[in-house]
Amino acid sequence: EAGVTQFPSHSVIEKGQTVTLRCDPISGHDNLYWYRRVMGKEIKFLLHFVKESKQDESGMPNNRFLAERTGGTYSTLKVQPAELEDSGVYFCASRQGLRDTDTQYFGPGTRLTVL
Amino acid sequence: QKEVEQDPGPLSVPEGAIVSLNCTYSNSAFQYFMWYRQYSRKGPELLMYTYSSGNKEDGRFTAQVDKSSKYISLFIRDSQPSDSATYLCARYSGAGSYQLTFGKGTKLSVIP
Repeated sequence: EAGVTQFPSHSVIEKGQTVTLRCDPISGHDNLYWYRRVMGKEIKFLLHFVKESKQDESGMPNNRFLAERTGGTYSTLKVQPAELEDSGVYFCASRQGLRDTDTQYFGPGTRLTVL
Repeated sequence: QKEVEQDPGPLSVPEGAIVSLNCTYSNSAFQYFMWYRQYSRKGPELLMYTYSSGNKEDGRFTAQVDKSSKYISLFIRDSQPSDSATYLCARYSGAGSYQLTFGKGTKLSVIP
């Protein structure tokens, strides 16, 4: 079974440009999460989808970030316009259910560098 | 005060040593605690989870929660070079989205 995949693995853009990150969750997982790790900080939650609906977007830093999950399958996270402080590693995770013991499976992350 | 505090290390030990990794948490309402392992350039993977207080053992790994002191520990026996990774403690936010709150992670190197 394929795990969570993310694309691209690495993106280097200039300040003010737009970048779109993609996440393909494990097939059949209704729950999809985005997290971010900024250098020197802990991994932090951004938002949670249940199928195509945003369940919790309390961690989104500002309105330059837009997440979508059309059709309840893959998800995209767009940053527009990118700022220097957006640099970091963006992780996607998926989870089948919402029982305490259901595991969140993480993708390898997209390393975003904003110059 | 951060919800989950973890000493980032780095920690370097010789092969075969017993490793002790620790976290503290601030909210007594937490029930589930997890340890994730992250290899370089990879995503975190769940290593173990524990519920409430007590110990949980899985092979060379033991997870321990002490609710009275709000302390979470992971012990690795007979450490191997393949254990070299960053270890992250985490807990769920609670009911609802079950988002994870992580510590900063401790980078462990096991030297052959």
